[in-house]
Amino acid sequence: SAVISQKPSRDICQRGTSLTIQCQVDSQVTMMFWYRQQPGQSLTLIATANQGSEATYESGFVIDKFPISRPNLTFSTLTVSNMSPEDSSIYLCSTITGGTGELFFGEGSRLTVL
Amino acid sequence: GENVEQHPSTLSVQEGDSAVIKCTYSDSASNYFPWYKQELGKRPQLIIDIRSNVGEKKDQRIAVTLNKTAKHFSLHITETQPEDSAVYFCPAEGTGNQFYFGTGTSLTVIP
Repeated sequence: SAVISQKPSRDICQRGTSLTIQCQVDSQVTMMFWYRQQPGQSLTLIATANQGSEATYESGFVIDKFPISRPNLTFSTLTVSNMSPEDSSIYLCSTITGGTGELFFGEGSRLTVL
Repeated sequence: GENVEQHPSTLSVQEGDSAVIKCTYSDSASNYFPWYKQELGKRPQLIIDIRSNVGEKKDQRIAVTLNKTAKHFSLHITETQPEDSAVYFCPAEGTGNQFYFGTGTSLTVIP
């Protein structure tokens, strides 16, 4: 299993500002994933972050809006840039460990953009 | 991402009845089929999974069945309880070990 810590757990932000979400895993992992969950909706994969290479973004998500860092095998950050109210969501960090294929999630970061 | 269709989108059952949720996938090469449960305000968590070399798997009141020919798999919950009320997801695995989530099924168990 994996224990994933995210911070902040929630924040209220002003339009036009940027916020960085941190994700810490209690073990070394190859892949980390960032998801967005808008109110009442499913989870949408934003990007996959591998250590030592640039993140791979899904269709509809770009690096300028969601820059990601992956400095080592236990840590990643997601920045939500130039925020607008449409960015109000829960952002979840996740990873796969143990070879079982099970996806573990952090507790999520709830962002509200005013 | 990979395509997965989940039905129904909402489901209400009386406590004690059974609930069945079905997912249809498009990639015939898929070989791992998980079900996640997300309670209100919480993170999704794996509740059961199955691999393509197995047709059915059970864990107490929960079971998953797989039909590879028809490319669908189903979650079965028997003797439902109010704490089973949640949103259930059947994400599809992509080529790079990513998971793509469908719309989910909101299950309500009525006491």
